[in-house]
Amino acid sequence: AQRVTQPEKLLSVFKGAPVELKCNYSYSGSPELFWYVQYSRQRLQLLLRHISRESIKGFTADLNKGETSFHLKKPFAQEEDSAMYYCALRGNNRLAFGKGNQVVVIP
Amino acid sequence: NAGVTQTPKFQVLKTGQSMTLQCAQDMNHNSMYWYRQDPGMGLRLIYYSASEGTTDKGEVPNGYNVSRLNKREFSLRLESAAPSQTSVYFCASRAIRNTEAFFGQGTRLTVV
Repeated sequence: AQRVTQPEKLLSVFKGAPVELKCNYSYSGSPELFWYVQYSRQRLQLLLRHISRESIKGFTADLNKGETSFHLKKPFAQEEDSAMYYCALRGNNRLAFGKGNQVVVIP
Repeated sequence: NAGVTQTPKFQVLKTGQSMTLQCAQDMNHNSMYWYRQDPGMGLRLIYYSASEGTTDKGEVPNGYNVSRLNKREFSLRLESAAPSQTSVYFCASRAIRNTEAFFGQGTRLTVV
């Protein structure tokens, strides 16, 4: 079975402050991890995938297999980062999501 | 390029009524998914189809049925709607390993 855990539901940060969204997973096979984002009134879209090891919109995420984590980080939050963020894991053709984090960036 | 299209966008049903949510993708993707999104619960997988001709249960399949009509279309049916099925439903599709999933705009369903 595969499981994705995002502990915090709501995260409020001031503009310019660092943001870190935690994601832990359990999966017996080799995981494929993603972060998806849903801006207000828009459909879900891919933000990051672990295989790419890239920075998108200032966000980065590193897969730590020892800690089974894929935390999302951004050093300086911007108002346009306010959105719902989902960590996702693909395994056995399933794509499972965590419960999501609502991020509110305070001007 | 339409991507993933869901119909309808909004629907109100009475308890016990049936309906089918339609999903179509024009990206020649093999896998398709149905999720429901509820406050505090995130996205929960209802059913998925790894390829044309196959369907499998997800996390919360009870009360739903699906049909992978062809490679493009994956429909979700509620045979007898219940208030607990009030939710926002999302369809998604993806191609091969390690590529992103593309989502529809969602269907907001209310069962009264």
